[in-house]
Amino acid sequence: DAGVIQSPRHEVTEMGQEVTLRCKPISGHDYLFWYRQTMMRGLELLIYFNNNVPIDDSGMPEDRFSAKMPNASFSTLKIQPSEPRDSAVYFCASSLGTGGRKAKNIQYFGAGTRLSVL
Amino acid sequence: SQQGEEDPQALSIQEGENATMNCSYKTSINNLQWYRQNSGRGLVHLILIRSNEREKHSGRLRVTLDTSKKSSSLLITASRAADTASYFCATARGYNNNDMRFGAGTRLTVKP
Repeated sequence: DAGVIQSPRHEVTEMGQEVTLRCKPISGHDYLFWYRQTMMRGLELLIYFNNNVPIDDSGMPEDRFSAKMPNASFSTLKIQPSEPRDSAVYFCASSLGTGGRKAKNIQYFGAGTRLSVL
Repeated sequence: SQQGEEDPQALSIQEGENATMNCSYKTSINNLQWYRQNSGRGLVHLILIRSNEREKHSGRLRVTLDTSKKSSSLLITASRAADTASYFCATARGYNNNDMRFGAGTRLTVKP
C-alpha cells in the first residue's frame, strides 16, 4: 500500500479564495483524521470520521472549515474563504479501528499539505 | 484540546548519549503511543504501550508507563544524529481508542 496520500503538497493562495485539500487513506482503514499543525498551536485534531461518518468535529475552528468523506477512499477539507491565519501544515491520517486483540488505533500520517494564505 | 504534555520542549545532546523525554496526561487511557516527526514530514508511529503494561522495548527505544502518576517516558539509547526529530506522545481519550490527542512534542537535536 502506498500509505496515506495527500494532495497538493503545497498550496499558496490569496486571502478570500477557496482551498480544497485532499486525502486518500490506507485501503481498509475505518478511521480518517484531519489535523492542523502550527508552531504556535502544535498539532490540533480538526475532525475525524469513522466509516465515512463524521464523529467529532469539535476541533474545526470556524464555519469556514468543512470536511467531507464521500466514500471510504477519499476525503476533502475545504476552507472557504481562506484567511492568512489558516496558514499551516494540514495532515491527514488513517487507522484501522478498534476490535480484536491487536491495538488498531495506530495512526498512519500522510506527508501533509503546507498551506500559505497571503 | 491536547491530552498529553511532553517535557522538555527541546533537548540537545551529543551522539552516543541517551535521550529521555517525558509525557504527562490527564484522563484514564487504554494505551499510550509515541510518534516521531522529521522536519517537513508526517508523524510516524514508534511504539505503543497498553495501560496494563509498565515497560516496553523496541530496538534502542524504551518506554515506561506509570498510570498512577499519569505519565510516560521515552528513552532513546545510544542516540544518533539521525534521531534528530520531534517526538510526540498520544493518548486515547475515554473508551474510544481512536479519539486520540497529541502533545506539543519534544524537539530532540542530536549533535554528531
